[in-house]
Amino acid sequence: KAGVTQTPRYLIKTRGQQVTLSCSPISGHRSVSWYQQTPGQGLQFLFEYFSETQRNKGNFPGRFSGRQFSNSRSEMNVSTLELGDSALYLCASSEGTGASPLHFGNGTRLTVT
Amino acid sequence: KQEVTQIPAALSVPEGENLVLNCSFTDSAIYNLQWFRQDPGKGLTSLLLIQSSQREQTSGRLNASLDKSSGRSTLYIAASQPGDSATYLCAVDRGSTLGRLYFGRGTQLTVWP
Repeated sequence: KAGVTQTPRYLIKTRGQQVTLSCSPISGHRSVSWYQQTPGQGLQFLFEYFSETQRNKGNFPGRFSGRQFSNSRSEMNVSTLELGDSALYLCASSEGTGASPLHFGNGTRLTVT
Repeated sequence: KQEVTQIPAALSVPEGENLVLNCSFTDSAIYNLQWFRQDPGKGLTSLLLIQSSQREQTSGRLNASLDKSSGRSTLYIAASQPGDSATYLCAVDRGSTLGRLYFGRGTQLTVWP
């Protein structure tokens, strides 16, 4: 099976712009979650979608939003970018049931200038 | 709130040594514990998942144990190799927020020839 695919791999944006990141989960996986990784804060949970519904949400401002499509692919959007949004954004997929491990993509490296 | 701590933060050892990485968590009401490795600039690779009802899991040279009551897990790496050099992350989830992982800050491992 193909792994979790994230696009693009790298992105450079300017403060105030918005950005959309994409994630294609492993075939058959219904859960997609997003994490932000920075050197200062480590890995922080953004949100998780299961069968097109947001099931969990982390403590991020409303500028961070996401959605999941019927084919389980997911997008994450960040509006009004700030310098502090520079990070590695990781997507993970799983079957979404009790003992299913998370499988991560290689991430999108976002740099905000 | 679930907090995950990993000790040590960094470890540098010669090839061939047996290693123990430690992980502790504050809320014992976990569902699963998962160990990952992360290579520089890459996503996370799942190594082992231990369900809360289990005591340990093994995969090749890796063995992970879980003591849920004391809030501890250890990852044992036998006969370390330079290719094991990476950051090792421990994460737990809770039944009440399935799909969300709480991560430690990781142990950065360097194995030199």
